[in-house]
Amino acid sequence: ETGVTQTPRHLVMGMTNKKSLKCEQHLGHNAMYWYKQSAKKPLELMFVYNFKEQTENNSVPSRFSPECPNSSHLFLHLHTLQPEDSALYLCASSSSGSTGELFFGEGSRLTVL
Amino acid sequence: GEDVEQSLFLSVREGDSSVINCTYTDSSSTYLYWYKQEPGAGLQLLTYIFSNMDMKQDQRLTVLLNKKDKHLSLRIADTQTGDSAIYFCAESTSGNQFYFGTGTSLTVIP
Repeated sequence: ETGVTQTPRHLVMGMTNKKSLKCEQHLGHNAMYWYKQSAKKPLELMFVYNFKEQTENNSVPSRFSPECPNSSHLFLHLHTLQPEDSALYLCASSSSGSTGELFFGEGSRLTVL
Repeated sequence: GEDVEQSLFLSVREGDSSVINCTYTDSSSTYLYWYKQEPGAGLQLLTYIFSNMDMKQDQRLTVLLNKKDKHLSLRIADTQTGDSAIYFCAESTSGNQFYFGTGTSLTVIP
């Protein structure tokens, strides 16, 4: 248990569906992240929120829409996705502390049909 | 983003040492990290090294940093089957920016 909880753990959706991934952290951290993990590729940073403000959008297509209502919750809204968007989506949080360690959730495995 | 490179696969025999290598491009990295990902799980921090250090030892783990060559390695002594996992190298630069490699899948053969 890392203190970062992601739901759902698995999601299958069609290209015309709209769904959301949810992340919650109970660590009192001020920064939250979305990463995309695909086989044989570097872990890809998608979005960073710092004190609820988006500080990084790493050229992510607009079919991915993040939302950070407070420092403990982060959402990734999905719509009109493509099959190549199938991946493991990892949420992480960190504190602006000395080592800046990232704490990861277990990920949401997304399959787009 | 910054480039962090690792080989994809490594196999070792149980009891041997494993060495996982990583290269990175940003010379202004503050910290460098090794994360471990077990099947069906997220990443967990194994160890980290501050960029002004060249070595850190933590029980069976030894991290070596060659800042001139931008090369980081993780040595696991007496590798066990429970060490089989994916190991990610990562660097942090200014602010809350973390960049990861592809991960190296370590297989330990009994």
